[in-house]
Amino acid sequence: DTAVSQTPKYLVTQMGNDKSIKCEQNLGHDTMYWYKQDSKKFLKIMFSYNNKELIINETVPNRFSPKSPDKAHLNLHINSLELGDSAVYFCASSRNSRGAGEQYFGPGTRLTVT
Amino acid sequence: GDSVTQMEGPVTLSEEAFLTINCTYTATGYPSLFWYVQYPGEGLQLLLKATKADDKGSNKGFEATYRKETTSFHLEKGSVQVSDSAVYFCALLTSGTYKYIFGTGTRLKVLA
Repeated sequence: DTAVSQTPKYLVTQMGNDKSIKCEQNLGHDTMYWYKQDSKKFLKIMFSYNNKELIINETVPNRFSPKSPDKAHLNLHINSLELGDSAVYFCASSRNSRGAGEQYFGPGTRLTVT
Repeated sequence: GDSVTQMEGPVTLSEEAFLTINCTYTATGYPSLFWYVQYPGEGLQLLLKATKADDKGSNKGFEATYRKETTSFHLEKGSVQVSDSAVYFCALLTSGTYKYIFGTGTRLKVLA
């Protein structure tokens, strides 16, 4: 069984469009995250939710809006896509937001904006 | 603020060579330290971790020791295999805000 799943795996779209990426975890974890990985493999946290509550919100354009309908899901909606949004987006989860909990990563969504 | 610095790659080694990937950190308090590995086309997977000073994490022949005096968590493996080719990320979990901070990643390529 897949622990953290993301859809779609690939997303190609044009500038100005609005798109969503979905993430689901079946681990029973309380905390979920979105990361952006650029072409040089640099990984930067964007958001973190604990039990549907936003706990980390890094300096991300407000075109990016996370939504957590329940603690097993954390979706990422992006408005007015720009070329610079092209990257691989990873969803992750951990048991909770404290302690030395391991993070479990999804397989990533490669977003290409043309 | 808290940060992680890794040696720049790529690192290219022959099979059975000894591997060291350096990682140093800056943090307040007592962070937990991690090494994650990313194989081509996949997400990151935890390789090993250490939660306090002098702890040694180990897995699949890799090991790293949490050295508070040198603020380091270097990754080592005695004999690498072609299947170890991947990108390795050092990371810390801050003790105050419980936020993960990742290093820039080091690409390892092992040649047969």
